Amino acid sequence: GAGVSQSPSNKVTEKGKDVELRCDPISGHTALYWYRQRLGQGLEFLIYFQGNSAPDKSGLPSDRFSAERTGESVSTLTIQRTQQEDSAVYLCASSLGQGGQPQHFGDGTRLSIL
Amino acid sequence: DQQVKQNSPSLSVQEGRISILNCDYTNSMFDYFLWYKKYPAEGPTFLISISSIKDKNEDGRFTVFLNKSAKHLSLHIVPSQPGDSAVYFCAASEIHGNKLVFGAGTILRVKS
Repeated sequence: GAGVSQSPSNKVTEKGKDVELRCDPISGHTALYWYRQRLGQGLEFLIYFQGNSAPDKSGLPSDRFSAERTGESVSTLTIQRTQQEDSAVYLCASSLGQGGQPQHFGDGTRLSIL
Repeated sequence: DQQVKQNSPSLSVQEGRISILNCDYTNSMFDYFLWYKKYPAEGPTFLISISSIKDKNEDGRFTVFLNKSAKHLSLHIVPSQPGDSAVYFCAASEIHGNKLVFGAGTILRVKS
């Protein structure tokens, strides 16, 4: 497809389990971002990848969160030992990576921790 | 510390009239601003952007105005249509930066 693709669309898991979320960016987009949206709030930046540069991890809330990206393609966000406060919609976006270019979002993964 | 604020949680407008959504920011390093529209269970959709070298950008029914001295921007939708009913997010970044900082959103309802 032409847009950012995320999977799964919904994930329900028990507290303490690990989860892995996947993002396929728009082809040709060198920049990839992860955000989180908690209920009733705006989007919160988590991590940013740009080409082969070191990722900007400044938004990750704890060391239980990590993300990887292979080249300029797929990215995975991993949350270890999930907690109830991790429940949110996790959104991935990509852009051309140049200044002044908008980010385009996927439909997100709704994560529910029981 | 909320760097981007949308002080109106909701707005209701009659079809055909103008919708005006407002956004304030505090970080003077921001120089690129965007508006996104979001339907339930979908990701935000990019609508329109403006860089700090401009004070107005127009795209069809959507116009964004930027007042740098007041650190304020607004989105005007004219004429409003029922399909415009959604949550609208204001976002800001440094033009050579990476992350977007989002406001909490405004729910727009356009009544027919």
